[in-house]
Amino acid sequence: DGGITQSPKYLFRKEGQNVTLSCEQNLNHDAMYWYRQDPGQGLRLIYYSQIVNDFQKGDIAEGYSVSREKKESFPLTVTSAQKNPTAFYLCASSQGWTGSTEAFFGQGTRLTVV
Amino acid sequence: ILNVEQSPQSLHVQEGDSTNFTCSFPSSNFYALHWYRWETAKSPEALFVMTLNGDEKKKGRISATLNTKEGYSYLYIKGSQPEDSATYLCAPGEGSSNTGKLIFGQGTTLQVKP
Repeated sequence: DGGITQSPKYLFRKEGQNVTLSCEQNLNHDAMYWYRQDPGQGLRLIYYSQIVNDFQKGDIAEGYSVSREKKESFPLTVTSAQKNPTAFYLCASSQGWTGSTEAFFGQGTRLTVV
Repeated sequence: ILNVEQSPQSLHVQEGDSTNFTCSFPSSNFYALHWYRWETAKSPEALFVMTLNGDEKKKGRISATLNTKEGYSYLYIKGSQPEDSATYLCAPGEGSSNTGKLIFGQGTTLQVKP
């Protein structure tokens, strides 16, 4: 089945640790995105990539880093610089940019700092 | 950044009722409007992508309209069924279709009682 796979589903991190969230897609999509969801808020864009080896900061990139070495993969690292990392993280992809094309989403990773 | 408002925040209806939600956004600097359905424990799935003023789209019992001049979109569900229970997200695109970003509202959560 084609789709987006995020792992792990749940992740616990100690304060001061970096942690990496995985996102893999087999849809052959060029563009990939990371969003964060907090209670009562809409999805907010962290980072996005329109093509391999290129990525851009979204609206809330501070404390996060990404890489796009392969078309299929767009991992997100939550660094110790992220002040409030506990949240639900969604990865998405689209064929081309999200203008007239829909985004496809993974099932998310819930990160909790303990 | 676009300020996107969805109303109501939550809605409880009986099976068979018809219902509608609103998505409001500033009408300038806009290139597309996406609607997504997000069922609990699943990934958000695209319902509609609309780009033109006056666009009307339909998928089964669900339809949507777009008014770009006044900055709103309506989502209608005719004869709600329990399987329609989900959070419905709207996401206008800010900027251009090549470089702009989707800005998500906080969603309308629908519960359909059998």
